[in-house]
Amino acid sequence: EAGVAQSPRYKIIEKRQSVAFWCNPISGHATLYWYQQILGQGPKLLIQFQNNGVVDDSQLPKDRFSAERLKGVDSTLKIQPAKLEDSAVYLCASGRQSSYNSPLHFGNGTRLTVT
Amino acid sequence: AQSVTQPDIHITVSEGASLELRCNYSYGATPYLFWYVQSPGQGLQLLLKYFSGDTLVQGIKGFEAEFKRSQSSFNLRKPSVHWSDAAEYFCAVGAMGGGNKLTFGTGTQLKVEL
Repeated sequence: EAGVAQSPRYKIIEKRQSVAFWCNPISGHATLYWYQQILGQGPKLLIQFQNNGVVDDSQLPKDRFSAERLKGVDSTLKIQPAKLEDSAVYLCASGRQSSYNSPLHFGNGTRLTVT
Repeated sequence: AQSVTQPDIHITVSEGASLELRCNYSYGATPYLFWYVQSPGQGLQLLLKYFSGDTLVQGIKGFEAEFKRSQSSFNLRKPSVHWSDAAEYFCAVGAMGGGNKLTFGTGTQLKVEL
C-alpha cells in the first residue's frame, strides 16, 4: 500500500508570511494526526482528526495555526502568520482507527524554516 | 498527564556490540508504550509496542524491549548492533482512552562505529 504522502518536503519563508502543508493519508485510514517536531525534541501532537471531524486540537496554537480535513481524506495545515519558533518538521500520521491496536503510519514530513 | 523521559541524548556503540536505550514514563495507570525509529529525512517507523501481558516484547529488526512497572521503564535492547541501526530512537506513551494519541520523549541519537 502507498504510504502517507506529504508536500512540500521543504519550505523556507520569512516571519509573518503564511504557509500551508498538505497530507494524503493511507487509503481507508479514518484517523489523521499532525505532529510538530522541533529540532532536538520529540514530536508533539497538534491536532487529531477522525474522518472529517476534529477530535483533539487542544495543543494547536489557534491564533496562527489552522487545519482542515474537509472530505475526510487529505488534510491541510496552515500557519498564518509564521513566527521564528515555528521552524520545525511537520509530520502527518494516519491510522485505520482511533485505537492503539491500529498502528500509526508517518509521512516523511515537511521541514519548515522561518527566517 | 503522561510523559516520557529519555535520559540519553546521544549514544555511540561499536558495530556488533549490544545496545540498551533507556526510557522512563510517567502515567498513573498501565500505559501503552511504543518505540519508534527515525532515519534522517524520514518519518517514524514503529519498532515495537507494549499493551499488556508478557513484559518482554519483540519487535522488528531484532529489537526487544522490557516493561518494568516497578521502575516505570521500557528500555529498548538489541544484542548486536548493525551499522544500519544508526538513527534516532523515540519512546512514546499513550493513555488509556487516548485515541491513539502519543506523547513522545526527546529521542536518543544512536551512532554506530565501524
